[in-house]
Amino acid sequence: GENVEQHPSTLSVQEGDSAVIKCTYSDSASNYFPWYKQELGKGPQLIIDIRSNVGEKKDQRIAVTLNKTAKHFSLHITETQPEDSAVYFCLGGAQKLVFGQGTRLTINP
Amino acid sequence: KAGVTQTPRYLIKTRGQQVTLSCSPISGHRSVSWYQQTPGQGLQFLFEYFSETQRNKGNFPGRFSGRQFSNSRSEMNVSTLELGDSALYLCASSLDRGRGIQYFGAGTRLSVL
Repeated sequence: GENVEQHPSTLSVQEGDSAVIKCTYSDSASNYFPWYKQELGKGPQLIIDIRSNVGEKKDQRIAVTLNKTAKHFSLHITETQPEDSAVYFCLGGAQKLVFGQGTRLTINP
Repeated sequence: KAGVTQTPRYLIKTRGQQVTLSCSPISGHRSVSWYQQTPGQGLQFLFEYFSETQRNKGNFPGRFSGRQFSNSRSEMNVSTLELGDSALYLCASSLDRGRGIQYFGAGTRLSVL
């Protein structure tokens, strides 16, 4: 079946440093790769997405890169701020929607 | 534009009971998906409804069911509740079915005692 592996499960970085979270997917038919951010007490919120016809997309401090050959995509957050502290999920799969296991990102002041 | 609304926000039930959760999608959105979120299993896909028909289903027992009404509002029902059903149940809506952007509600936290 379709599988999405997300790493790391927890990540702690100093404020101002960069954070990178990676997801690996199994279904080569996957063509849409979003990242969601979930804050405490809220539902996940889309922060950035990429389609398989591009390799990278950037939105201010957030970027997503895609390597279709290796079947992985990554979330990059630069100049991290305390409000970036949250749980981040990737979403993959072609037929069924499969979330990664989540990464709890903590930004230390 | 109002976001996805889930009711109730919190629910406490006992084993063996049944529960119905409600989700009102963003106006104009026709697809509604349901997810179960637990600390141990993460976010797991339950099912997707589009135009009042279930289009996709995750690996959950038949005790979990849902439906969608003509106005795209959706309900999820869990019968014969078990302790392991305690979770945050999230609903997401999107314009069309499949792989579009999903907008999530705040969820319903169900506790089974």
